[in-house]
Amino acid sequence: EAQVTQNPRYLITVTGKKLTVTCSQNMNHEYMSWYRQDPGLGLRQIYYSMNVEVTDKGDVPEGYKVSRKEKRNFPLILESPSPNQTSLYFCASSPYGDVSGANVLTFGAGSRLTVL
Amino acid sequence: AQKVTQAQTEISVVEKEDVTLDCVYETRDTTYYLFWYKQPPSGELVFLIRRNSFDEQNEISGRYSWNFQKSTSSFNFTITASQVVDSAVYFCALSEAHPNNAGNMLTFGGGTRLMVKP
Repeated sequence: EAQVTQNPRYLITVTGKKLTVTCSQNMNHEYMSWYRQDPGLGLRQIYYSMNVEVTDKGDVPEGYKVSRKEKRNFPLILESPSPNQTSLYFCASSPYGDVSGANVLTFGAGSRLTVL
Repeated sequence: AQKVTQAQTEISVVEKEDVTLDCVYETRDTTYYLFWYKQPPSGELVFLIRRNSFDEQNEISGRYSWNFQKSTSSFNFTITASQVVDSAVYFCALSEAHPNNAGNMLTFGGGTRLMVKP
């Protein structure tokens, strides 16, 4: 089944303890992206990747890192989590980064992160 | 900068009622795409429709229909004869063409929570 898989789905952690949310897609998609969802704000883009070894900041990148060493994987790293990073996180992918803006994203199931 | 506004944060209807979810957008680009996504209680995001800025035809898919009006910068979503399974959060989103949007970012509205009661 074609899908985007995120782990963990739920995580409670404490301030300052490094964590990684993994994301993997099995559709051979070039484009991948991370969003966070907060009440009333919808989803906002954190980072994106056009292809292997090509990553760039989205709208709200502060406090996050990413890497794209393999096409299928796009982990989100929180080096020193803070309570304001408590959120619902979504990984998404699409076949390519369409310059027309026509990308239809396939989203993962979401990872709910709580930072105490 | 682009912006999407969904003024209705929550709507409650009784099953079989028709309901319209409003979406108003702002963009300086002439080429852009508009989307609707559904987020059921299970949490995943489900793609519903994509419409480009040059196609103002309304679209109907079963009980769902979409009304795109560039004159009012709106892309409203109507569910006819609503059902309990339609209960979800619905997001409207906008994507501009490169180079204004090098990251292919979707700009989402805040979402409308629809509750359909039996």
